[in-house]
Amino acid sequence: QVQLVQSGAEEKKPGASVKVSCKASGYTFTTYGLSWVRQAPGQGLEWMGWISAYTGDTVYAQNFQGRLTLTRDTSTSTAYMELRSLRSDDTGVYYCIREGGSGGYYFFAYWGQGTLVTVSS
Amino acid sequence: EIQMTQSPSSLSASVGDRVTITCRASQSIGTYLNWYQQKPGKAPNLLIYTTSTLQSGVPLRFSGSGSGTDFTLTISSLQPEDFATYYCQQSYNTPRTFGQGTKLEIK
Repeated sequence: QVQLVQSGAEEKKPGASVKVSCKASGYTFTTYGLSWVRQAPGQGLEWMGWISAYTGDTVYAQNFQGRLTLTRDTSTSTAYMELRSLRSDDTGVYYCIREGGSGGYYFFAYWGQGTLVTVSS
Repeated sequence: EIQMTQSPSSLSASVGDRVTITCRASQSIGTYLNWYQQKPGKAPNLLIYTTSTLQSGVPLRFSGSGSGTDFTLTISSLQPEDFATYYCQQSYNTPRTFGQGTKLEIK
């Protein structure tokens, strides 16, 4: 079965960086893209960006341009999300998600368990 | 960026009720619309994709409809496990955007 296992909770100070990992299993890693979504405490879902697990091509949401880097390691079937220059409003749960679908019709089929990132001085 | 607006933001209902949640897109998105259910402390879970296709394992009391800019999620007879927050999401283009969520509470 498809599983996405994310790294553990992080506490960071403002201005620092965080790197969250997402290890995939149960499918051929390079077949599907991966998105990252953030959820601030008590708030809704915010899409951050997408990476092709096959080519490494990325698309970033404008809100995160310049601070966000998505990468992947095909040898370990692991995706990474690095967010720099952290601010207090970056506090939230970060999810990695494997796409499903085809022919342009995509959806967020499988979600990691989430990683809580807390930014506080 | 396509804005997704859900209504209502919150809803109180009883077990057995029929419930409808509406999602409106700021421009036409065809049928590129998905629905998710999220329970407290858990990751969201895909319910319906491409407007009306039920994800495997999702009960038949859930249904989706619409096209263009207006979409609905209907639960035909609420069960206790359905009390959760529901999100719509467009996959027409990037950035992928979500509605603000509809919290379904027990009356």
